[in-house]
Amino acid sequence: SQQGEEDPQALSIQEGENATMNCSYKTSINNLQWYRQNSGRGLVHLILIRSNEREKHSGRLRVTLDTSKKSSSLLITASRAADTASYFCATDSQRNNDMRFGAGTRLTVKP
Amino acid sequence: GAGVSQTPSNKVTEKGKYVELRCDPISGHTALYWYRQSLGQGPEFLIYFQGTGAADDSGLPNDRFFAVRPEGSVSTLKIQRTERGDSAVYLCASSPQDSFEAFFGQGTRLTVV
Repeated sequence: SQQGEEDPQALSIQEGENATMNCSYKTSINNLQWYRQNSGRGLVHLILIRSNEREKHSGRLRVTLDTSKKSSSLLITASRAADTASYFCATDSQRNNDMRFGAGTRLTVKP
Repeated sequence: GAGVSQTPSNKVTEKGKYVELRCDPISGHTALYWYRQSLGQGPEFLIYFQGTGAADDSGLPNDRFFAVRPEGSVSTLKIQRTERGDSAVYLCASSPQDSFEAFFGQGTRLTVV
């Protein structure tokens, strides 16, 4: 079963603009992660935020976590055409340590 | 260092046949995950191993699906009496004991005809 849900399902922006994707989840979590998937198959880990953290940065990525609202956002600043990909959030719940994914946001960055 | 390796990369099989999909995790990683992904969807959780044991197999859709990891390293996902609805990309990931960051293989694309 899926745990997270990303919003929007698809996002199209111009190069240089910022992209914001949101993730909502249902149960209490230990960690939330964001992954990227190009049109190939493998997912690549981007960033992990723990349940006791509120914000985390990595290069052009900024992730926030609001455990009271059970939601997270991923901001990609100064987007590039190479950022075109699908982005997924994944959570591991306090009940299980396994990792569940949402349906993803398909980001298109136009050059 | 090698990443997660999945074989075969593509598998075409006839409806009703048995298939095995193999995952070689990163050496030393204790956690191993199997997911399947259909076009336009997110990875759907199947099963999670810690060492040799299945810590959570609640995602296996029915008893035609089974996975093993006998020595705590390589894992095999086994599908009996395949159906056309089993067609998907099957993804494997592993992570070290002290981290939840998962490293994914490139997947096996299974097509049941």
